[in-house]
Amino acid sequence: GQNIDQPTEMTATEGAIVQINCTYQTSGFNGLFWYQQHAGEAPTFLSYNVLDGLEEKGRFSSFLSRSKGYSYLLLKELQMKDSASYLCAVMDSNYQLIWGAGTKLIIKP
Amino acid sequence: DGGITQSPKYLFRKEGQNVTLSCEQNLNHDAMYWYRQDPGQGLRLIYYSQIVNDFQKGDIAEGYSVSREKKESFPLTVTSAQKNPTAFYLCASSITGGSGANVLTFGAGSRLTVL
Repeated sequence: GQNIDQPTEMTATEGAIVQINCTYQTSGFNGLFWYQQHAGEAPTFLSYNVLDGLEEKGRFSSFLSRSKGYSYLLLKELQMKDSASYLCAVMDSNYQLIWGAGTKLIIKP
Repeated sequence: DGGITQSPKYLFRKEGQNVTLSCEQNLNHDAMYWYRQDPGQGLRLIYYSQIVNDFQKGDIAEGYSVSREKKESFPLTVTSAQKNPTAFYLCASSITGGSGANVLTFGAGSRLTVL
């Protein structure tokens, strides 16, 4: 079966750095997405990785290793507004998105 | 401003009733999707449509129905046959379906509670 694993919840301190991991086992691979979702709101797109390596976008970076079935989202200089759930999703060989359950990130002052 | 509008935001239903959730987009996107979100689970695809007048079942289509008569609109009906309909429903769209960098734009969601 297809599977996406993420930690359920993480806690970090304002101003610090946090890394949210995502491992996957899917039928084929056509890219990995990260979305941010504040409670009760719509998910919003953060990043897309299809090749191995690090993609940097401001305070957020996303890394992919296809051979290991592994990605992480790195958030730097954490702000209180970064408190949200972070969803990892993989596009399989049929171009269908397989979603992880999301990681709830709690930022403390 | 372009975006996706879902309505209603909150909906209560008695058992045995059908309800329809509205989803309208003005992004000129070809593909539209309905997902269900439950606590502790990933998003699950109910139905999707890549062009007008055509749609396909997702992983959990039983008890749901859709239509795509206009490019802008993709309403979802939750029928009385859906055994556990209480959930948060998300509508999404993308420029096209079936491609790699297929970024989804989501609506704000509709929370359905069955009493």
